[in-house]
Amino acid sequence: GAVVSQHPSWVICKSGTSVKIECRSLDFQATTMFWYRQFPKQSLMLMATSNEGSKATYEQGVEKDKFLINHASLTLSTLTVTSAHPEDSSFYICSARDLGTGGPNSPLHFGNGTRLTVT
Amino acid sequence: EDKVVQSPLSLVVHEGDTVTLNCSYEVTNFRSLLWYKQEKKAPTFLFMLTSSGIEKKSGRLSSILDKKELFSILNITATQTGDSAIYLCAVTILYGGATNKLIFGTGTLLAVQP
Repeated sequence: GAVVSQHPSWVICKSGTSVKIECRSLDFQATTMFWYRQFPKQSLMLMATSNEGSKATYEQGVEKDKFLINHASLTLSTLTVTSAHPEDSSFYICSARDLGTGGPNSPLHFGNGTRLTVT
Repeated sequence: EDKVVQSPLSLVVHEGDTVTLNCSYEVTNFRSLLWYKQEKKAPTFLFMLTSSGIEKKSGRLSSILDKKELFSILNITATQTGDSAIYLCAVTILYGGATNKLIFGTGTLLAVQP
C-alpha cells in the first residue's frame, strides 16, 4: 500500500533556530501533500496544502513566512519552521493521497509525524 | 465555516463493552467521511463512507453515515484494551475547484480498562 515517510521523527532545537521536516511519498507520486499540526490530546489542524511546482495554500491564521513549505518534486514536500519558539513545539504530520489507486476521494496516508520541541 | 464535531470527547469503558462514537458535520461540498484511529503516532485509516445507510464493517468495528442528518457513528463491539486510542472523524470537502481537503473533528479519546 501507499507509504508516506516523514523525517525526522523527533527533533529538539534551540529558540531562534530553524528546523526542516521532510515528507516523502515512497511508492506513489503526490502532486498535493498536506501538513497538519497536533497539540497534545487534540485533533489534527490543517496548516497548509503543499502543491508541487507552485505555492502552498495556507489555512487562515497560519503564518506563511514562519512555516515555509517547498514541494519541489512529486515525491517530496518540506516544511521549515523558521526562527522557532517554544510555542511552536508540537507534533507535525504530513499526508498525501495516492491518486493513482483511489482517485481524488481516496483516503489520506499519513507520515509518522515529527515531534518538535523548542527549548 | 466548515466544522466537524465529535462526541463524547473522552470515554472510559471496560473490556467487553460496546461503544458508539459520534461525528456530526456542517460543511459545504461534502465528498466523504472518514474514520481514523490514532495511537502513538500517525492516524491509521479505518473507514471511508460516501453513501447514506450503507454499513461498513471490519471485525468488531462498524460505521454508518446519514447524509440527511449529517452524522456518522463508529461502533466497537466487545472492546479490548488494544482499542484504546483517539478516534478521529474527518470529512473530505472539495475546495478551490479541484482539491479535496480533509477537515478533522475534535477526536474521541477512548480508554478501555481490563
